[in-house]
Amino acid sequence: NAGVTQTPKFQVLKTGQSMTLQCAQDMNHNSMYWYRQDPGMGLRLIYYSASEGTTDKGEVPNGYNVSRLNKREFSLRLESAAPSQTSVYFCASSVLLKNSPLHFGNGTRLTVT
Amino acid sequence: GNSVTQMEGPVTLSEEAFLTINCTYTATGYPSLFWYVQYPGEGLQLLLKATKADDKGSNKGFEATYRKETTSFHLEKGSVQVSDSAVYFCALSGDSGGSNYKLTFGKGTLLTVNP
Repeated sequence: NAGVTQTPKFQVLKTGQSMTLQCAQDMNHNSMYWYRQDPGMGLRLIYYSASEGTTDKGEVPNGYNVSRLNKREFSLRLESAAPSQTSVYFCASSVLLKNSPLHFGNGTRLTVT
Repeated sequence: GNSVTQMEGPVTLSEEAFLTINCTYTATGYPSLFWYVQYPGEGLQLLLKATKADDKGSNKGFEATYRKETTSFHLEKGSVQVSDSAVYFCALSGDSGGSNYKLTFGKGTLLTVNP
């Protein structure tokens, strides 16, 4: 029972490089999310997709783009990485019902040098 | 806007000690409140939730009561175990007509339980 799977687990980039973080869920959830976790900051929402075919900005969208490829997959792209984007990135999914829990992946630790 | 304030960590306890992690919130309307737990190297997972005032959420010996009068949702456990060592996040979901995506998290509290 995989749940939410994120790849890669670790990544090191140089400033200006690009990369895509992949996320897939096998729970038939409608909604998917990308968060970043930084020390002393908690989790902050980057982008979300309430349902297949829609995406919206969260609290900290600058420097990122997303694609909801299908119901299962939601990718996060950094076009030109910056040191400020060094963080742990979490993908999550949920059913589209109020108060239903978020199911999180195990995260991608990204370092930008 | 919505915000969540939880007690600064880290918190270090001995096994079988009583745990309280304070959480207060600011929100309009009637938010739902959650506690999530993050074990080392893993993503967050839901620990418990409460959706209306005076509700008590409970799971795995943890409890929290939704107190609208004090805008609080403190996490408690009567006797902690080493396996409870983790980071605990308080969160709220805004009263925005049925969607989850406006989940606001606190900064997290690291709990370490020593044998």
